[in-house]
Amino acid sequence: GAVVSQHPSWVICKSGTSVKIECRSLDFQATTMFWYRQFPKQSLMLMATSNEGSKATYEQGVEKDKFLINHASLTLSTLTVTSAHPEDSSFYICSAVAPRGGNTEAFFGQGTRLTVV
Amino acid sequence: QKEVEQNSGPLSVPEGAIASLNCTYSDRGSQSFFWYRQYSGKSPELIMFIYSNGDKEDGRFTAQLNKASQYVSLLIRDSQPSDSATYLCAVSYAGNNRKLIWGLGTSLAVNP
Repeated sequence: GAVVSQHPSWVICKSGTSVKIECRSLDFQATTMFWYRQFPKQSLMLMATSNEGSKATYEQGVEKDKFLINHASLTLSTLTVTSAHPEDSSFYICSAVAPRGGNTEAFFGQGTRLTVV
Repeated sequence: QKEVEQNSGPLSVPEGAIASLNCTYSDRGSQSFFWYRQYSGKSPELIMFIYSNGDKEDGRFTAQLNKASQYVSLLIRDSQPSDSATYLCAVSYAGNNRKLIWGLGTSLAVNP
């Protein structure tokens, strides 16, 4: 399957600082990437849809000024958590869509465990 | 609102048995159906996808799709303890920017 690389795999930051998470599709071009957040023992929660060269589409309840998404190329999307607070501590996962014929498959990065202290 | 529903479980089966996981979806316009496995603390990994009615087999896994009844299932034969994980069902729709609608997942425990 296609490879999606997410970095860093874990990060600890102080409250009030910003953290950038990168998501790269290594062997295919991803016109669309998704960013998810997952709290312990809960399912994936879609935060935003990122399309190359355009503004991200945020899900209801997700603050676009707090979670900045940039999709500058067909292989890279970044999520920046600005002014992080302890309640932002979570598992953040990116997903890139790889077209396969007329259908699509989503491949996930390894995830980033963010802890805000 | 488009929904995907799964029984949260936990589903417990003995080693070597068949595990049956079910998923229903609300929108008849659904086109593609995916099963992902997620181990605790890890990101989901794709197990199988299915687009057409009927069965699709891959090793110990069989996906079954019934569009008339709006359900998709995953069978795991000869279950192993390493299959213990949460299984997520996801559905995509045409013209939905390739966004996946996710179920909440079913927790499977395979007991040695």
